[in-house]
Amino acid sequence: QVQLQESGPGLVKPSETLSLTCTVSGGSVNSGSYFWTWIRQPPGKGLEWIGYIYYSGSTNYNPSLRSRVTISTDTSKNQFSLKLRSVTAADTAIYYCARVLLDYGDPFYFDSWGQGTLVIVSS
Amino acid sequence: EIVLTQSPGTLSLSPGERATLSCRASQNVSSTYVAWFQQRPGQAPKLFMYGASFRASGFPDRFSGSGSGTDFTLTISRLEPEDFAVYYCHQYGTSPWTFGQGTKVEIK
Repeated sequence: QVQLQESGPGLVKPSETLSLTCTVSGGSVNSGSYFWTWIRQPPGKGLEWIGYIYYSGSTNYNPSLRSRVTISTDTSKNQFSLKLRSVTAADTAIYYCARVLLDYGDPFYFDSWGQGTLVIVSS
Repeated sequence: EIVLTQSPGTLSLSPGERATLSCRASQNVSSTYVAWFQQRPGQAPKLFMYGASFRASGFPDRFSGSGSGTDFTLTISRLEPEDFAVYYCHQYGTSPWTFGQGTKVEIK
């Protein structure tokens, strides 16, 4: 049973970079069977897809965030990470990492989520 | 970007009643790439329907999904106490992947 766990600072100052890591246990980020994704949810609001990374290193980002976001993997630690630059209060949210099972290279469904981590952007 | 509009925003029902939730897309979506999530307070979203009508493992058959094109529906035939939550539809066939704004099913 795969488990995903987000970690990182809970408070980030405006204009700085938000950095989160998702540690994967019971599965490998080096597997070609999944997309490794980030999703966020402002408090009391809906869900927003941030982007995903494939084991090959290819990425796909939400255009609304593309200029500020980078998702990467660290196979030695079995982790994938999110960096969001130049944050503002609008980036305050619960950030979730999740795994998407692929079917012949196409997304099949989300099969595992982390519990989420709240990041507040404030000075 | 495909915008998903869910209705109603809030559904007030009693246990045992039937719930019908709607998700309308701003353009055609392949039903293969439509999913529904359930989110309880303080918890991560949980997938319970994918491919518009396939139930995820562990979810009871009182949940059913249908639809095609731009209109998708989630039906809960008889609400149980644990079903009162927020439900999100989601499309992942066209980038950027998008979510509806959610329907809250609350106890009347």
